[in-house]
Amino acid sequence: AQSVSQHNHHVILSEAASLELGCNYSYGGTVNLFWYVQYPGQHLQLLLKYFSGDPLVKGIKGFEAEFIKSKFSFNLRKPSVQWSDTAEYFCAVNPHQAGTALIFGKGTTLSVSS
Amino acid sequence: EAGVAQSPRYKIIEKRQSVAFWCNPISGHATLYWYQQILGQGPKLLIQFQNNGVVDDSQLPKDRFSAERLKGVDSTLKIQPAKLEDSAVYLCASSLATGVGYGYTFGSGTRLTVV
Repeated sequence: AQSVSQHNHHVILSEAASLELGCNYSYGGTVNLFWYVQYPGQHLQLLLKYFSGDPLVKGIKGFEAEFIKSKFSFNLRKPSVQWSDTAEYFCAVNPHQAGTALIFGKGTTLSVSS
Repeated sequence: EAGVAQSPRYKIIEKRQSVAFWCNPISGHATLYWYQQILGQGPKLLIQFQNNGVVDDSQLPKDRFSAERLKGVDSTLKIQPAKLEDSAVYLCASSLATGVGYGYTFGSGTRLTVV
């Protein structure tokens, strides 16, 4: 079965530190890839997505992610985090199979101290 | 555009009781999803509808969970009887259609606590 692995359960950073959250998926075919963010008390929001083309995608709020097909990875990065980035981050995969819905990882909680 | 509406926001019930959640997707969105998010885990798909037909309910515990989407618009998810392990946030999402390339819009969820 397809699955998504997020290696970091809880990450704690100081403001201005750089961020990288790991995401790997298990599916041999073509996929679309997503990162969602959930701020405290809010609903899931799309940060960025990869469908095709340039494997380095840029999203909202200065986030970016790189798709490395050979490693089945889609890591999320931000060069300098802010306190307002404190949230839970979910990697999700949509395999190119008819009718297959988004498959989510377990999430990474990011805590940024000011 | 209006978002995905869910109600209630919170629900506390005793085990073995029944509960129902309601979802109103974005107007025109043909596909509707129910996800279960247990604390500390990512959302897990329970059921996917395309209009009023079921596309995937392979992970729905059918002995206690049921869902319907009459007329292809609103949807209800029911649990009867509830167990302690059903405590979770139940998320509804919708998209224009089934298939890759269509973005999902999520509702705020219903937080269920079973005591």
